[in-house]
Amino acid sequence: EIVMTQFPATLSVSPGERATLSCRASQSVSSNLAWYQQKPGQAPRLLIYGASTRATGIPARFSGSGSGTEFTLTISSLQSEDFAVYYCQQYNNWPPLTFGGGTKVEIK
Amino acid sequence: EVQLVESGGGLVQPGGSLRLSCTASGFTFSRYEMTWVRQAPGKGLEWVSYITSSGSTIYYADSVKGRFAISRDNAKNSLYLQMNSLRAEDTAVYYCARVAVAHYGMDVWGQGTTVTVSS
Repeated sequence: EIVMTQFPATLSVSPGERATLSCRASQSVSSNLAWYQQKPGQAPRLLIYGASTRATGIPARFSGSGSGTEFTLTISSLQSEDFAVYYCQQYNNWPPLTFGGGTKVEIK
Repeated sequence: EVQLVESGGGLVQPGGSLRLSCTASGFTFSRYEMTWVRQAPGKGLEWVSYITSSGSTIYYADSVKGRFAISRDNAKNSLYLQMNSLRAEDTAVYYCARVAVAHYGMDVWGQGTTVTVSS
């Protein structure tokens, strides 16, 4: 089973600043990685797939990068609606499909 | 509007059973692979089960294998999760999610249904 590790667990950022979230896979997942955003009381929303492709309707301030075992989600200028928990998920070697533990982006 | 709506959650005693349903609308359900994902209170996301568009291939997480059964009825645009021998650790919000066509990310999610296993 591929283990996905996200860090930091919590990221404190001021509105308008850049946020950089990391995700590491226990073995290579190539570019078969997705990122999700989840707000309290809501279902997750797909942000990025293929490590770097934005899903439909996702603003350009969200970008993904990386391949192999190291991945990054960058939010270039945090808006109030971006404060949420973010999860990475690999789909290279499955079952099982595996998620990281999440990074909470909170207001500094 | 593309939509998934789950139902069937509730309070059940340990060892009991529950059947979750997920009804799809706004897209051709029969063309998509589907999954169930759960989230325990205050915890992260955990993949539970997957089914191909025809139902011919099914996978489960080890934590539910032998106790849960996924199925679908394409004529009814519906996905199901039969949960037996429920344990306290199965307590979670259960989401059904559509698997994207071009990759195995999940591009449409339901609002979730809550399952609580407690005596």
